[in-house]
Amino acid sequence: GQNIDQPTEMTATEGAIVQINCTYQTSGFNGLFWYQQHAGEAPTFLSYNVLDGLEEKGRFSSFLSRSKGYSYLLLKELQMKDSASYLCAVSLHGSGNTGKLIFGQGTTLQVKP
Amino acid sequence: EAQVTQNPRYLITVTGKKLTVTCSQNMNHEYMSWYRQDPGLGLRQIYYSMNVEVTDKGDVPEGYKVSRKEKRNFPLILESPSPNQTSLYFCASSFQAGGHTGELFFGEGSRLTVL
Repeated sequence: GQNIDQPTEMTATEGAIVQINCTYQTSGFNGLFWYQQHAGEAPTFLSYNVLDGLEEKGRFSSFLSRSKGYSYLLLKELQMKDSASYLCAVSLHGSGNTGKLIFGQGTTLQVKP
Repeated sequence: EAQVTQNPRYLITVTGKKLTVTCSQNMNHEYMSWYRQDPGLGLRQIYYSMNVEVTDKGDVPEGYKVSRKEKRNFPLILESPSPNQTSLYFCASSFQAGGHTGELFFGEGSRLTVL
């Protein structure tokens, strides 16, 4: 089966750093995406990892360890507008799972002043 | 403006009355997909299409149909809607299914209520 786990909720303080973890167990792996979704809106792309290591993009960084089935999204210098849900998604493209994309349940982050 | 357009955005219907949710993208993307989002369950893939005339089931295809006769359009059809299909639906597209160009662009969502 396919399983992606993320914490349901997290709270952090404005200006701080927060790490959102994602673990996955899937039959096949072609890459891992992170999306941000504000309440009442559509998800928007944040990052993509296919190789092990850290990808940095401004205040956001994403890490992947394929051997451990583990990823995290790191948000630095938190701002109030970062309050949103963060969705981890594994692409199963190829390996007999062509075109499938599995999402975790999402982590709702609340940033407090 | 590059976008994915869904219609209708909101719909209340009754059990058994066939409905279609349209989805159109203007980015010449090959890959399109439908998701439903329910509280506590996250986004679940219903159907996807790798290209024109190529469609396949996602994780929750029961009760839905799709077609991909043109590259830009990917309608979602509920032949006989039931209350358990009440949900928020998202259509999304990307240049290809995976890889660095697999970034999904989502429509604004269609909130469907089946009474």
